[in-house]
Amino acid sequence: DTAVSQTPKYLVTQMGNDKSIKCEQNLGHDTMYWYKQDSKKFLKIMFSYNNKELIINETVPNRFSPKSPDKAHLNLHINSLELGDSAVYFCASSQGAGMDSPLHFGNGTRLTVT
Amino acid sequence: GEDVEQSLFLSVREGDSSVINCTYTDSSSTYLYWYKQEPGAGLQLLTYIFSNMDMKQDQRLTVLLNKKDKHLSLRIADTQTGDSAIYFCAENQTGANNLFFGTGTRLTVIP
Repeated sequence: DTAVSQTPKYLVTQMGNDKSIKCEQNLGHDTMYWYKQDSKKFLKIMFSYNNKELIINETVPNRFSPKSPDKAHLNLHINSLELGDSAVYFCASSQGAGMDSPLHFGNGTRLTVT
Repeated sequence: GEDVEQSLFLSVREGDSSVINCTYTDSSSTYLYWYKQEPGAGLQLLTYIFSNMDMKQDQRLTVLLNKKDKHLSLRIADTQTGDSAIYFCAENQTGANNLFFGTGTRLTVIP
């Protein structure tokens, strides 16, 4: 069974559209994250979510919003997509809010905005 | 957080040892991690080291930590073609509740 799963794997859409990426983890972890990996493979944290506490990277535009219906899910909604949003988005989870436990990553969603 | 730095590329011949280096930023980081990313896949945790250790060995992998210089390295013995991937170091910076990743090193193993 996949520990952290994301859907879709690929997403191609036009500028201005609104899209969502879903993430589910079956590890029983308390904390989930969204990371963005750009074309140069740089990884940047976007959000972390733990027990209903959302911590946002201040550089993330407010067009991006995470939504967590329950502890096992953290979905990413993106409004008014822009060309610069094209990237691979990774969901991850860890046990606890502290970073003494390693992250487990999904396989990523490659978003292409045309 | 400040940037965690790595060399971008490394090429080695199959059977040789690979050494991937990382300079991290926060001397108070508790754990330091190495992740591997294969093409089209997510990051996979390879190994990690607690900050009070100098070295950790796990089969073909050896992690060395120099806290004074804030330098972390990953040595892969007997490198195989299946080791070709991007390797990321990561640290948990003080006060942050997420990992900060290095720029990644693309390891190419030449048969």
